[in-house]
Amino acid sequence: NAGVTQTPKFRILKIGQSMTLQCTQDMNHNYMYWYRQDPGMGLKLIYYSVGAGITDKGEVPNGYNVSRSTTEDFPLRLELAAPSQTSVYFCASTSGQLVYQPQHFGDGTRLSIL
Amino acid sequence: GQQLNQSPQSMFIQEGEDVSMNCTSSSIFNTWLWYKQDPGEGPVLLIALYKAGELTSNGRLTAQFGITRKDSFLNISASIPSDVGIYFCAGNTGANSKLTFGKGITLSVRP
Repeated sequence: NAGVTQTPKFRILKIGQSMTLQCTQDMNHNYMYWYRQDPGMGLKLIYYSVGAGITDKGEVPNGYNVSRSTTEDFPLRLELAAPSQTSVYFCASTSGQLVYQPQHFGDGTRLSIL
Repeated sequence: GQQLNQSPQSMFIQEGEDVSMNCTSSSIFNTWLWYKQDPGEGPVLLIALYKAGELTSNGRLTAQFGITRKDSFLNISASIPSDVGIYFCAGNTGANSKLTFGKGITLSVRP
């Protein structure tokens, strides 16, 4: 069982570069989420999706974009990387059933912007 | 926005000791969860609580969903070195299964 898979695991970017963080899940989950984690700050929700073709902003969406063309994939795009986006990024998914099902997390992408 | 309060930021205990962590909020949550994060990995679910007053155990871990629905606690008994990590509480209000996370408590266990 792969669960939630994130690639790459590490990346260094220069200011102004762009990149896409990949997230795929093999659990047929409808709901997917992107978080960023900064030291001592917990996890902050960037964007989320409740199904293919549907995305919505979370708490800290500025500087990011997402798309959800399939149930399995939920990529996160940084268009103009800034030092403030240095962080660890986590993707998560859940089935979205009426009875709440806990989110499953990937192992993260560690991104440094210099 | 909603906030979950976890403190202190760090805890240091001796192997074999019990430790309790709590999480409080000014808002009501429908579900409370406790996650653990090991270095270099994503959070892993420890315990999920679905009803006010619910007390649930998972091995040496016990967690409770507060009666007011505004707090939860996690207890770890007879700590061992592999309990080291960051412990997060999280709450769900039901809206799109979104979670609000606390800032986490870093637990260190001295052998």
